[in-house]
Amino acid sequence: KAGVTQTPRYLIKTRGQQVTLSCSPISGHRSVSWYQQTPGQGLQFLFEYFSETQRNKGNFPGRFSGRQFSNSRSEMNVSTLELGDSALYLCASSPETGGTNTGELFFGEGSRLTVL
Amino acid sequence: AQKVTQAQTEISVVEKEDVTLDCVYETRDTTYYLFWYKQPPSGELVFLIRRNSFDEQNEISGRYSWNFQKSTSSFNFTITASQVVDSAVYFCALSELRSGGSNYKLTFGKGTLLTVNP
Repeated sequence: KAGVTQTPRYLIKTRGQQVTLSCSPISGHRSVSWYQQTPGQGLQFLFEYFSETQRNKGNFPGRFSGRQFSNSRSEMNVSTLELGDSALYLCASSPETGGTNTGELFFGEGSRLTVL
Repeated sequence: AQKVTQAQTEISVVEKEDVTLDCVYETRDTTYYLFWYKQPPSGELVFLIRRNSFDEQNEISGRYSWNFQKSTSSFNFTITASQVVDSAVYFCALSELRSGGSNYKLTFGKGTLLTVNP
């Protein structure tokens, strides 16, 4: 069974640009979450999608957005990049079954974004 | 607000030593889940264990064991007879449950970098 796949793995952008990151969850998983990992702040929750709907959002500015497609694949977008957006962005899928599943998250290897 | 504290930033041991990673959490919820994840240099977070707030039984899985104590809000992780392959960053996490009981999001500790030297 294939794991969570994130693309691209590495990318370099300059301030002011925008970036789109992609995540393909494990087949059958309908919940996709995004986390930002930085040395200073650690792992922080960005948002979570289920059945193409954003269910929850963390404390990040509106420059951070995402979406989920009907096949559960998800993308996140960061606009007007700042130096502080340099981070490892991790996507996780969960075998959410609609209300009672408290299952673990399965993470991808992340997309490492460097903003110059 | 939920909080997870891993006071040990870095630990270095010699192979075959036992090592315990500490985790202390704060939550107002009566129902919650605790997790441990391992992050090797590749970056992927690998799930190790999930424990719900009603189950304080200790768990052992091979060389790994976990000690959950609600009275002290701790969920410590012990590796017995450590190996070089255990070198990684280990994260403790706490889940906040949405209504209906399904998992919402994880609040992570800052992680403990474990280095096992040969």
